[in-house]
Amino acid sequence: DTEVTQTPKHLVMGMTNKKSLKCEQHMGHRAMYWYKQKAKKPPELMFVYSYEKLSINESVPSRFSPECPNSSLLNLHLHALQPEDSALYLCASARDTDTQYFGPGTRLTVL
Amino acid sequence: GESVGLHLPTLSVQEGDNSIINCAYSNSASDYFIWYKQESGKGPQFIIDIRSNMDKRQGQRVTVLLNKTVKHLSLQIAATQPGDSAVYFCAEGRGQAGTALIFGKGTTLSVSS
Repeated sequence: DTEVTQTPKHLVMGMTNKKSLKCEQHMGHRAMYWYKQKAKKPPELMFVYSYEKLSINESVPSRFSPECPNSSLLNLHLHALQPEDSALYLCASARDTDTQYFGPGTRLTVL
Repeated sequence: GESVGLHLPTLSVQEGDNSIINCAYSNSASDYFIWYKQESGKGPQFIIDIRSNMDKRQGQRVTVLLNKTVKHLSLQIAATQPGDSAVYFCAEGRGQAGTALIFGKGTTLSVSS
């Protein structure tokens, strides 16, 4: 089983809202990732967690705040977003540093 | 800057044909390459990967070829089916293999029956 689940599937929020995206995997993977994908573009890496510690932050604005409560869960907290942050947010996991498996994504719209 | 890219943004083939999707990379130090398929409204789906100590790897109906001399990667799909229609991305693993994937621009494969 290579399933990564993400909730919610769709999210609409105003620029003053606070919301969270959730990602979960039960494959025992120790690396988890957040990517952002704009329409007709490739995914762009945002954050990497390795063994529950943040190992890479690709200069993401502070209005995006990742959190890894345990080895199976990854959250992305959103606050004071801008309309240009509207995108598909993808979570991925990997056993360690090998193949990354992606979830279905959360389609975020910021009004 | 260094990037992973694809030669053609779109590729149209007939059902049953073989498809070849190409990708060029610029970082000779890259040691891991992976192909993903992304259907509309879905996350990228792993197809096949290859490490730099190999030049060919085969899966079910798919083959990945790596030419390190010219920094070229290709995905071959045999007997292409309408269900293969999707956007295909190559990605490059930098640093430790598999970490921090850098994606190419993508090729949209359209299969007509």
